Amino acid sequence: QSVLTQPPSVSAAPGQKVTISCSGSSSNIGNNYVSWYQQLPGTAPKLLIYDNNKRPSGIPDRFSGSKSGTSATLGITGLQTGDEADYYCGTWDSSLSADVVFGGGTKLTVL
Amino acid sequence: QVQLQESGPGLVKPSQTLSLTCTVSGGSISSGGYYWSWIRQHPGKGLEWIGYIYYSGSTYYNPSLKSRVTISVDTSKNQFSLKLSSVTAADTAVYYCAREIAVAGNPPLIFFDYWGQGTLVTVSS
Repeated sequence: QSVLTQPPSVSAAPGQKVTISCSGSSSNIGNNYVSWYQQLPGTAPKLLIYDNNKRPSGIPDRFSGSKSGTSATLGITGLQTGDEADYYCGTWDSSLSADVVFGGGTKLTVL
Repeated sequence: QVQLQESGPGLVKPSQTLSLTCTVSGGSISSGGYYWSWIRQHPGKGLEWIGYIYYSGSTYYNPSLKSRVTISVDTSKNQFSLKLSSVTAADTAVYYCAREIAVAGNPPLIFFDYWGQGTLVTVSS
């Protein structure tokens, strides 16, 4: 059971927009920065978003991140078939068992 | 461009110790400023952070694995390693090494910007 909750799957058509939610608590998302990772089939995760809404060099602005309270959201516009992947959110959890925590992942299907 | 590559046995017997090494290229572990982490992914599941090491040798482990985990660094070889003792089938997973950005603050800024390709370790007799 993951500390952060993500929907198991989302889907949308090419060219459309999709959002992926990540829900946590005050000990993690509520008081810490969120990062997002894309894992294409059979590959390692790749950093998409850090510091809630910042994109590393080379990540297109079709990808965006936001945070409100104890939830975070990844947005992807202009969907492409190449965006089909698993997406994970991650953050620091500052509870008694302080450590890095991730969501269970969301499978994006581009129909 | 920083690259990380995991290596080690793909099959470990129950109760034995899992040992993996991550070789870093394109950057020096000794230069500091970064933490070097291990993360695993159980088959078909999400990500689980195992712990990190700094070039100085200081470590921090996931509390749920702390009693069985040791991460070490060899700056002369630009490598860091993972040992997980007393393994069971529940430790079967793809193990990734990654570079962790951890900026102290309130709150701290933590994320993983470079990852190895991952290596599957199966625990089975």
